[in-house]
Amino acid sequence: RKEVEQDPGPFNVPEGATVAFNCTYSNSASQSFFWYRQDCRKEPKLLMSVYSSGNEDGRFTAQLNRASQYISLLIRDSKLSDSATYLCVVAYRAAGNKLTFGGGTRVLVKP
Amino acid sequence: GAVVSQHPSWVICKSGTSVKIECRSLDFQATTMFWYRQFPKQSLMLMATSNEGSKATYEQGVEKDKFLINHASLTLSTLTVTSAHPEDSSFYICSARVGLRNTGELFFGEGSRLTVL
Repeated sequence: RKEVEQDPGPFNVPEGATVAFNCTYSNSASQSFFWYRQDCRKEPKLLMSVYSSGNEDGRFTAQLNRASQYISLLIRDSKLSDSATYLCVVAYRAAGNKLTFGGGTRVLVKP
Repeated sequence: GAVVSQHPSWVICKSGTSVKIECRSLDFQATTMFWYRQFPKQSLMLMATSNEGSKATYEQGVEKDKFLINHASLTLSTLTVTSAHPEDSSFYICSARVGLRNTGELFFGEGSRLTVL
């Protein structure tokens, strides 16, 4: 079983709609969680950290469920520019906070 | 934000040759840099952690003699793929954290796409 698993998608989303997807992690000792965005053939860029109480950044909402060991990302009012691959990233202190990346969830926003 | 620059962006080489990829932190000092490899439609896989002034720490399954890492200064780490073969064709990305705190945010270089013929 992979340490960090994501539905690869693609999620085809009409412009203006809401899309949400999850990421599961296997190590219960995981400490920190992040969502990164990666555009085609580009480097990943931090979208947002995920806090225990959940957090929101504009149209993006991240949630953490430690009991079930998953995090989620919700995108409201999708824009064409939201089309990208969203990478779930997990770190745990025992591994020196080394980051483990999920395979990514591809989102395609269409007019 | 912090900038990490990688060079070259693209490289095509013949099988058996060696290729060097540079990773520079442009506006901050990076005591630690990370090298990742990403095959098409797959996740980033950490290859090694590059430490300034000391030996790199390689992940399990990564051949240290094939992927030579040098981190001679606080702003430059290099990855040399020695005797490259077609299966080494991949997207290689470096990254660095700002400062000593493990905040989690990594700044990534633009990546280097290696094609071995």
